[in-house]
Amino acid sequence: AQKVTQAQTEISVVEKEDVTLDCVYETRDTTYYLFWYKQPPSGELVFLIRRNSFDEQNEISGRYSWNFQKSTSSFNFTITASQVVDSAVYFCALTTNTGNQFYFGTGTSLTVIP
Amino acid sequence: EAGVAQSPRYKIIEKRQSVAFWCNPISGHATLYWYQQILGQGPKLLIQFQNNGVVDDSQLPKDRFSAERLKGVDSTLKIQPAKLEDSAVYLCASSLADRLYEQYFGPGTRLTVT
Repeated sequence: AQKVTQAQTEISVVEKEDVTLDCVYETRDTTYYLFWYKQPPSGELVFLIRRNSFDEQNEISGRYSWNFQKSTSSFNFTITASQVVDSAVYFCALTTNTGNQFYFGTGTSLTVIP
Repeated sequence: EAGVAQSPRYKIIEKRQSVAFWCNPISGHATLYWYQQILGQGPKLLIQFQNNGVVDDSQLPKDRFSAERLKGVDSTLKIQPAKLEDSAVYLCASSLADRLYEQYFGPGTRLTVT
């Protein structure tokens, strides 16, 4: 069975602080894909990143960075120098090569205080 | 390229009424998904179509929910009769048949049942 856990329900940071959102996943498949989505108040899911299980290289995109560690089944997301526009709910998700649906975590609500 | 379209964006109905949501996937995407996202939770798959056939509807409450994709393009999700616990955002997503891990989400329909 597939499962995604986001233990942090809500996080508040002051603008310009760094913040890390945690994601732990479970799957028995050897080929799988991990995702992060941003959901602003408008409700749309905005795709941020996809990683496959064979690529553990960390990635940086502007102020965003992702740390994928298979040894701990984690796929954490860090925002450096946070901005008010980063305030949203962030979802980690998992899908597999043999499955079809996305398995989402319960989301982490991030509030950046100006 | 146009994204996944959904309508309406918002709907308020009374319990026991019926409601229908519409989704038009990205052109050429054979696979279409309907997700339900209850407030404070991650999206949960309701049904998956491959062209006009149902691949997975194991989590669809079939006593009140129905969905169709008659011509293998756009799709309609119906709830009849609605209950208070159906209040949620209903997200439609689509993907190419051979790239199920690359799902594109629509803006969603926010349903409030009073």
